[in-house]
Amino acid sequence: QVQLLQSGAEVKKPGASVKASCKASGYTFANYYMHWVRQAPGQGLEWMGMINSSGGTTTYAQKFQGRVTMTRATSTTTVYMELSSLRSDDTAVYYCAREGCSGGSCYIDYWGQGTLVTVSS
Amino acid sequence: DIQMTQSPSSLSASVGDRVTITCRASQGITNYLAWFQQKPGKAPKSLIYAASTLQSGVPSKFSGSGSGTDFTLTISSLQPDDFAIYYCQQYINYPLTFGGGTKVEIK
Repeated sequence: QVQLLQSGAEVKKPGASVKASCKASGYTFANYYMHWVRQAPGQGLEWMGMINSSGGTTTYAQKFQGRVTMTRATSTTTVYMELSSLRSDDTAVYYCAREGCSGGSCYIDYWGQGTLVTVSS
Repeated sequence: DIQMTQSPSSLSASVGDRVTITCRASQGITNYLAWFQQKPGKAPKSLIYAASTLQSGVPSKFSGSGSGTDFTLTISSLQPDDFAIYYCQQYINYPLTFGGGTKVEIK
């Protein structure tokens, strides 16, 4: 079965960087894109970007351009999301989410359990 | 960016009720619309894609409809396990965007 296992909670100071990981299992890693979505406390869902697990190409939301870097390691079937220059409003749960495809349509089908990132001085 | 607007933002319903949630896109998205369910403290769960196709394992009491700009999610007979927040999301264009969510509470 598809599983996306994310790294544990992090506490960072403003201005620091955080790197979250998402280990995929139960499917052919290179055949699927992976997205990152975040959720601030009590708020809705916000898309950050995505990575092609095969070629490593990325697409980022303009809001995060220059601050986010998504990478992958095919040998360990793991994707990473690094966010730099952290601010207090980056405090959120960060989810990885797999993109599945069917009938020419590609959509999010599986989610990781989330990584809580707290930014506080 | 495509704006997704859900209504209502919250609703109270009883076990056994039929519930309908609406999602409107700021421009046409054909059927590139997904629905997600999120329970407190948990990750979202994928329910529906392509506006009306159930994800594997999702019970048939959930149904989706619509095309273009207007979409609905219907829960045919609300059960205690269905009380949650529901989000719509468009995936025709980047950035992917979500509706603000509809909280379904117990009356």
